[in-house]
Amino acid sequence: GAVVSQHPSWVICKSGTSVKIECRSLDFQATTMFWYRQFPKQSLMLMATSNEGSKATYEQGVEKDKFLINHASLTLSTLTVTSAHPEDSSFYICSAGGRTQETQYFGPGTRLLVL
Amino acid sequence: QKEVEQDPGPLSVPEGAIVSLNCTYSNSAFQYFMWYRQYSRKGPELLMYTYSSGNKEDGRFTAQVDKSSKYISLFIRDSQPSDSATYLCAMSVIQGAQKLVFGQGTRLTINP
Repeated sequence: GAVVSQHPSWVICKSGTSVKIECRSLDFQATTMFWYRQFPKQSLMLMATSNEGSKATYEQGVEKDKFLINHASLTLSTLTVTSAHPEDSSFYICSAGGRTQETQYFGPGTRLLVL
Repeated sequence: QKEVEQDPGPLSVPEGAIVSLNCTYSNSAFQYFMWYRQYSRKGPELLMYTYSSGNKEDGRFTAQVDKSSKYISLFIRDSQPSDSATYLCAMSVIQGAQKLVFGQGTRLTINP
């Protein structure tokens, strides 16, 4: 149980384009989803927390107009990196939790490379 | 000072050894403690979840929490090369889908 998927697993895009990453909870209802960013050999950096049907709460220093988060259903959240630039290249990981989960469960991650 | 401290390693041990991974924390309000394993280029996988003080065992893995010392440990017995990964400790004040505070992660290599 508690399986979270992400799509795509990796994406390469040109600078200036927008990229959408999907996060799905496959076998439970995710009332809360989290989006993280991870640089090589570093720990996870929380970007934002989203509750189903509500606006996301962004961590300090994270541009909400650049990283658009939508959590429209109990099984799907999306992260859109708008007007991506090379410095946005990173490993993006989502996690999800619900009323029946004792903690967060992570997706497999999405590697983004902006050229 | 970070809220959760974890030695980043790297830690390298021979196959079959007992591995001890540790984290210290400063916030006495933490009640829920987790260990995640992360393989290279993958998302973290929940290994152990414990509440309050005490020990919890699952196969070759034992999680230990000492709230009086603000210290948690993960022990791996009969370590295998497949255990080579980064191990992240995490903790929260409230149970459930709550914001976690992570340690930096310890890179572990088990040598055949």
